[in-house]
Amino acid sequence: SAVISQKPSRDICQRGTSLTIQCQVDSQVTMMFWYRQQPGQSLTLIATANQGSEATYESGFVIDKFPISRPNLTFSTLTVSNMSPEDSSIYLCSVEDLGSIAPDGGGYGYTFGSGTRLTVV
Amino acid sequence: KQEVTQIPAALSVPEGENLVLNCSFTDSAIYNLQWFRQDPGKGLTSLLLIQSSQREQTSGRLNASLDKSSGRSTLYIAASQPGDSATYLCAVNTNAGKSTFGDGTTLTVKP
Repeated sequence: SAVISQKPSRDICQRGTSLTIQCQVDSQVTMMFWYRQQPGQSLTLIATANQGSEATYESGFVIDKFPISRPNLTFSTLTVSNMSPEDSSIYLCSVEDLGSIAPDGGGYGYTFGSGTRLTVV
Repeated sequence: KQEVTQIPAALSVPEGENLVLNCSFTDSAIYNLQWFRQDPGKGLTSLLLIQSSQREQTSGRLNASLDKSSGRSTLYIAASQPGDSATYLCAVNTNAGKSTFGDGTTLTVKP
């Protein structure tokens, strides 16, 4: 399985500022995924990032608020812009686990980074 | 739209007990189903991946089953230990990275 290094692991930020979260993968991957997990809730997909093209955002998420970079096949960043307390969440990146296909076929599973716990005050 | 439900939301058991966590989904057109473990404030650790053509997968004390036609999966944990205490998430994966997560079951194993 791919190994993902996600930074920072946690941060406390002032409202109105921005935070950039980084994910570095130890192998080349086509797609990287960014999720948000609000307190006490499950994961919600923010966007899918492909190298060389703009990220595809899910309903309710916009590029101005969550700009994403994908400069190469092993790295991506997510920025949380103009933060408010409502942005306090765990943010996670994910990639397809290219080693997870069964001998008789099937779809990929996914590997996740260790998460970034963001608190906005 | 795929919906994933996990029951129970929370579970507390004494050490050594066997237990079952449940996951149900509304759309059976899935590629696979994945069980994760999440410790408080941390990322997700993949436990088991079951392809849509498979009925079950086993890893150590964990066994996951899949009944795609009825939209159900179970995660069986044998001989539970305090170190198993965590939130367990079920994710249903369709094409092109579309994963739908349940809300999770928070497990507490008491020594």
